[in-house]
Amino acid sequence: KAGVTQTPRYLIKTRGQQVTLSCSPISGHRSVSWYQQTPGQGLQFLFEYFSETQRNKGNFPGRFSGRQFSNSRSEMNVSTLELGDSALYLCASSKGQGVDEQYFGPGTRLTVT
Amino acid sequence: AQSVAQPEDQVNVAEGNPLTVKCTYSVSGNPYLFWYVQYPNRGLQFLLKYITGDNLVKGSYGFEAEFNKSQTSFHLKKPSALVSDSALYFCAVRPAYSGAGSYQLTFGKGTKLSVIP
Repeated sequence: KAGVTQTPRYLIKTRGQQVTLSCSPISGHRSVSWYQQTPGQGLQFLFEYFSETQRNKGNFPGRFSGRQFSNSRSEMNVSTLELGDSALYLCASSKGQGVDEQYFGPGTRLTVT
Repeated sequence: AQSVAQPEDQVNVAEGNPLTVKCTYSVSGNPYLFWYVQYPNRGLQFLLKYITGDNLVKGSYGFEAEFNKSQTSFHLKKPSALVSDSALYFCAVRPAYSGAGSYQLTFGKGTKLSVIP
């Protein structure tokens, strides 16, 4: 079974631009979560989608948004990029919520200059 | 809101010795607890989880963890460390009850494990 895939793997953007990251979950998984990982803050939860509905949202500004499609694939968008948005963005999928463990993709490394 | 504390930023252990990576948590009601490992430039890999039942949980690669409700701890252990166990380890918690406020999976800051040959 193929794992979680994320595209692109690396991205360099300029401050003020916007970016869209994509995540394809493991086949049969209906829940997708997004995390931001930085050396200083660790892993911070962005949002979680289940069956195309956002079920949970972390404490990030409205510049961060996401969506999930009917095939469970998910995208996240960051508008008006800031230098502090430079991070590794991780996507994780699970069969459902609660007891199910999450399976992580390799991440998208975003650098904002 | 729930939280996870991993009190040690780094743990060093000699190859062949037992290892422990500590984790304490705070959550409303009963917890679901998870351990993940991250190798350099990779995503996180699931190691084990505690949902209910036996307090000693066994997982991948010879790792196990002990759930202690009174001490709100979920320490990761391995009887004999390997150099290949060197990585970043994350503990995570979410409440068992979806109505208990924030239902997201919350991670600790991670503990870097170095196994010395």
